[in-house]
Amino acid sequence: EDQVTQSPEALRLQEGESSSLNCSYTVSGLRGLFWYRQDPGKGPEFLFTLYSAGEEKEKERLKATLTKKESFLHITAPKPEDSATYLCAVQDESAGGTSYGKLTFGQGTILTVHP
Amino acid sequence: KAGVTQTPRYLIKTRGQQVTLSCSPISGHRSVSWYQQTPGQGLQFLFEYFSETQRNKGNFPGRFSGRQFSNSRSEMNVSTLELGDSALYLCASSRGTSHSYEQYFGPGTRLTVT
Repeated sequence: EDQVTQSPEALRLQEGESSSLNCSYTVSGLRGLFWYRQDPGKGPEFLFTLYSAGEEKEKERLKATLTKKESFLHITAPKPEDSATYLCAVQDESAGGTSYGKLTFGQGTILTVHP
Repeated sequence: KAGVTQTPRYLIKTRGQQVTLSCSPISGHRSVSWYQQTPGQGLQFLFEYFSETQRNKGNFPGRFSGRQFSNSRSEMNVSTLELGDSALYLCASSRGTSHSYEQYFGPGTRLTVT
């Protein structure tokens, strides 16, 4: 069974204080690893897809990296508007055949950035 | 480009009733997936529809069902509601092919069962 574990559960940072969020995963065969941001009362907002170990993607102050067992979301010089819950999800290529719909999510990391 | 829309946004129902939620995907997307989000279990996959066919299903009881129409719009139905069905129900759309399967989520429907 696919498993996704995110750490820490909550992270408090001062504005400008860089840090990283971790996502450890177990799947039979990784089709893709996804990062989402979710604000309270809203649906998750797509950030990145990573497909293979060694891949990196960047967007503004965020950079996502992938190894064979985990992914990191690096936040450089965060601002208060980066406060949100960050979700990691995986899609297992062996779980759904031709289905590309099933994502297995971690519990998320609640990030709070203080001014 | 319009995003994923879900209606209604909020719903209050009584135990034993049934409910139907609606989702309109991004134009051109043929895959619609449904998820249940609760504080205790997080986001859990319910099912995926592609071209009006259920392509995958999560571990939920048969009270949870869905369908997709020819215009890719989707509905999910929950019958005989239980208190534990209170949750945020999220719909996600994607092109659903091997070349493009990133999922984009709607704002969700908040269901409260009393």
